[in-house]
Amino acid sequence: DAKTTQPTSMDCAEGRAANLPCNHSTISGNEYVYWYRQIHSQGPQYIIHGLKNNETNEMASLIITEDRKSSTLILPHATLRDTAVYYCIVRERDTGTASKLTFGTGTRLQVTL
Amino acid sequence: EAGVAQSPRYKIIEKRQSVAFWCNPISGHATLYWYQQILGQGPKLLIQFQNNGVVDDSQLPKDRFSAERLKGVDSTLKIQPAKLEDSAVYLCASSLGGLSNTEAFFGQGTRLTVV
Repeated sequence: DAKTTQPTSMDCAEGRAANLPCNHSTISGNEYVYWYRQIHSQGPQYIIHGLKNNETNEMASLIITEDRKSSTLILPHATLRDTAVYYCIVRERDTGTASKLTFGTGTRLQVTL
Repeated sequence: EAGVAQSPRYKIIEKRQSVAFWCNPISGHATLYWYQQILGQGPKLLIQFQNNGVVDDSQLPKDRFSAERLKGVDSTLKIQPAKLEDSAVYLCASSLGGLSNTEAFFGQGTRLTVV
């Protein structure tokens, strides 16, 4: 079962920042927070992941609260191509064998003109 | 680099027939996953391989589904016999795995329709 809670859907105007929240109140110390997105008719695409520090890459920023019970994915300047379902996933740290990704139902982000 | 390749892209079969899906992971990736995604839901893990060994197949309906990865590279997923509720997109993913957390790369999937 997914260990995260996300809003079902969100809207964002093109050019504005999209802030997607995720609750993971039962996360343990050896679990990462991963974000994937799935554009229509494609396979999921990795965005970013983090353990306890905030992370930034060319796609997005990940803000994790100090208690690690929630996080926010930030797309700084959303475009129409960012319209997708965004999945927040809690993933166990690898221990010699890659751990699985357990997907929930995600947040459907609609970017509009 | 080349991504995860899956074939076919689409398949339509009648119930009780059998079907097979093929996956070629990214070169050098030891871990391979098969996921099932029913319309409107997130992907659900069916089976995970590490090289040619099964790591997790707890959610694989073993009475009708089977998967193999004989040489630790390509993998096939088979359904025999198919049921209407097997209509879904079947996604293959691969990752380096090991001691460091690494991202999983997904293929485009095979859309199966059972009629």
